[in-house]
Amino acid sequence: DTGVSQDPRHKITKRGQNVTFRCDPISEHNRLYWYRQTLGQGPEFLTYFQNEAQLEKSRLLSDRFSAERPKGSFSTLEIQRTEQGDSAMYLCASSPGQGRLNTEAFFGQGTRLTVV
Amino acid sequence: GQQLNQSPQSMFIQEGEDVSMNCTSSSIFNTWLWYKQDPGEGPVLLIALYKAGELTSNGRLTAQFGITRKDSFLNISASIPSDVGIYFCAAPAYSGAGSYQLTFGKGTKLSVIP
Repeated sequence: DTGVSQDPRHKITKRGQNVTFRCDPISEHNRLYWYRQTLGQGPEFLTYFQNEAQLEKSRLLSDRFSAERPKGSFSTLEIQRTEQGDSAMYLCASSPGQGRLNTEAFFGQGTRLTVV
Repeated sequence: GQQLNQSPQSMFIQEGEDVSMNCTSSSIFNTWLWYKQDPGEGPVLLIALYKAGELTSNGRLTAQFGITRKDSFLNISASIPSDVGIYFCAAPAYSGAGSYQLTFGKGTKLSVIP
């Protein structure tokens, strides 16, 4: 399977704990995005990487959130001191960096986070 | 910020019926994307539109890029049970940092009655 892969698919954690999610984008895509989706809403942009550089962060990304893409391949999203409001589906997407295809994002299956 | 308004919010149809849904915005976009999301899964790209007035098909799905560039429409013909899911419109906005952030509508939830 050559699509976007996310791990884990589901995570239940206690409030105050740290969690880390992983995303493996489509191999030839140099652009990687993280989105968050809450119930009844469409996905909302969190952050963007071009290769290993994190070029943009949304105001939704509080200082408890940090994302990395150390070698320009896979990416991790860490949430520190989780709060119940962090419960959501975290989606990773990637896109190629060329032409009109740059605007087409392909999503992974998501990581469903539940903070109890 | 930019908002995409999708309608209807939900619809129940009989298997075999055709479906129409739309997405509008107060902003002009150069690209419109339509995604489908199944429960517990990520969105899957169905159709991408790049030119005002463009009509593009993908099997039983047909989408149109509105002439005003502020709206888009998705039609599904002869619906089948596996069409059930949430359909999202999305439009990319260039952020200036080399990225195209997608703005999504709230989705149209489709239920198909066999």
